[in-house]
Amino acid sequence: NAGVTQTPKFQVLKTGQSMTLQCAQDMNHNSMYWYRQDPGMGLRLIYYSASEGTTDKGEVPNGYNVSRLNKREFSLRLESAAPSQTSVYFCASSEFLTGADNEQFFGPGTRLTVL
Amino acid sequence: RKEVEQDPGPFNVPEGATVAFNCTYSNSASQSFFWYRQDCRKEPKLLMSVYSSGNEDGRFTAQLNRASQYISLLIRDSKLSDSATYLCVGLYSGNTPLVFGKGTRLSVIA
Repeated sequence: NAGVTQTPKFQVLKTGQSMTLQCAQDMNHNSMYWYRQDPGMGLRLIYYSASEGTTDKGEVPNGYNVSRLNKREFSLRLESAAPSQTSVYFCASSEFLTGADNEQFFGPGTRLTVL
Repeated sequence: RKEVEQDPGPFNVPEGATVAFNCTYSNSASQSFFWYRQDCRKEPKLLMSVYSSGNEDGRFTAQLNRASQYISLLIRDSKLSDSATYLCVGLYSGNTPLVFGKGTRLSVIA
C-alpha cells in the first residue's frame, strides 16, 4: 500500500518548457488535490478534484492545467513554465472533499526549478 | 474570506518545556479544525483533529474556542523529535476543501 505517489521527485526546466507532474493514490479516495509550497507562503491550493470527472480551481490556478485521468490519477501540467513556478508541489488525496474526520494524505512532493 | 492565521515562529524551546501555539480564523462559518505536522523537506501529515470539547493525545492537547475564533495546540514535555512545522487547518461549511495556515516552526533544543 504505497499511499500517494508522485513523479518526478526533482525537475529542472527552462523558461517556456512544458511538463506534467504525475500523481496516483491507491486508497480508493474520491478527492484529490494539487498544492504548491513556497517559503513563507504555506500550502496554496492550485486545483482540486472532488470526485472522478470533476475539477475545480483553487487559490492559484493560473499557469496550470489538471486532468483527473481516472479515480487513481490526477496530473498537473505546466504548459509554459515560468521562474515564478519554481516551488515544491504536493499532491494529496482524501476519501471525500469535506467531512469532520476527512484526513488528507500527501505525496512526497516534487521539487521544481524553472531557470 | 476563509483564512487561518498563525505566528510563523520560530519557537525555540529546551527539551522538556511546554509550548503552546495559537491559530486564529477569520470566518465563523467553520465546521472543523485540524493540526498537521510537517518535517523539514517532507510532506504534511495529520497530527490531530480539534474538537469543540478539546482533545488530548499523549503529550499533545488541542482546543477550539469558537467565541474567540482561535485554536490552540499544547505540547508538554517537548522532545527533540517534536521539532517541525505545525500547520493549522480549517474545514468550512459548503463544498470546499481544507484551508491551510502558513505554519508555525518549532525547534526543540537539547
